[in-house]
Amino acid sequence: QSVLTQPPSVSAAPGQKVTISCSGSSSNIGNNYVSWYQQLPGTAPKLLIYDNNKRPSGIPDRFSGSKSGTSATLGITGLQTGDEADYYCGTWDSSLSTGVFGGGTKLTVL
Amino acid sequence: EVQLVESGGGLVQPGRSLRLSCAASGFTFDDYAMHWVRQAPGKGLEWVSGISWNSGSIGYADSVKGRFTISRDNAKNSLYLQMNSLRAEDTALYYCAKDKTIAVTGIYDYWGQGTLVTVSS
Repeated sequence: QSVLTQPPSVSAAPGQKVTISCSGSSSNIGNNYVSWYQQLPGTAPKLLIYDNNKRPSGIPDRFSGSKSGTSATLGITGLQTGDEADYYCGTWDSSLSTGVFGGGTKLTVL
Repeated sequence: EVQLVESGGGLVQPGRSLRLSCAASGFTFDDYAMHWVRQAPGKGLEWVSGISWNSGSIGYADSVKGRFTISRDNAKNSLYLQMNSLRAEDTALYYCAKDKTIAVTGIYDYWGQGTLVTVSS
C-alpha cells in the first residue's frame, strides 16, 4: 500500500483535459512540496512538476499542478496520444523521514 | 547534459550481497543530494534511500533499513548502494536519481535508466 493515494487509471479523448488526484496526510503533502513524474512505457520517470506547481524547462504548459491541504492534482490539457503513460506523485514524509510516492495512475488517451 | 549511469545489477541468490554504483556527470555532483528509487516488475515507484551532499543526512525505507547502505564519493562523482541479506522482494529495477537541492527533499529532477536486480535461487 502506497502512502499517497492515486486513482489506478484515468482516460480521456485526444484534445480533452484530464486531472489526476493525489491524496496524503499532514506529515507528507500537508507540509511538503509535491512533485509529479511521467513514466512512458519502458523508460525512466521524468520530472513534470515540482514545488506543487512549477514546471522544469522543456515541460509544456499543458501540464499543471496544484495543491490544497493534504491533496494535490496534476492537470493535463490538450491531450495527445504521446501523453499515454504512468503518472506518479511524490513528496517527503516528515514523520517517516522518507520519500513517498503514490501508487501511480495509468493515463489512456482514447 | 546530466547523465546518471547505474551498474552492478544482476542475478543473486537470496541472502547474498550486491553493490550498485551510479556514475554521475554533467553537473556539480557535490552540490546535490542523491537517491535510490526502485520499481518492482509491473509495480510502482518505491523510494529506497537518500543521502545529502556531504553524507551528513542519510535515510532509508523501512523495508531496507539495516540491510542496505547508501554512500557517495564526491571525488569520483559516484553514488553507491550496498545491498546485503537480499530477499526475493528486493527484485526490482533500481534507479539512481538526483535531488533538486543540496538536501534530501525528495524532488528527483534527473533519473538514470536503472539497473535490474533479480533475487532468486
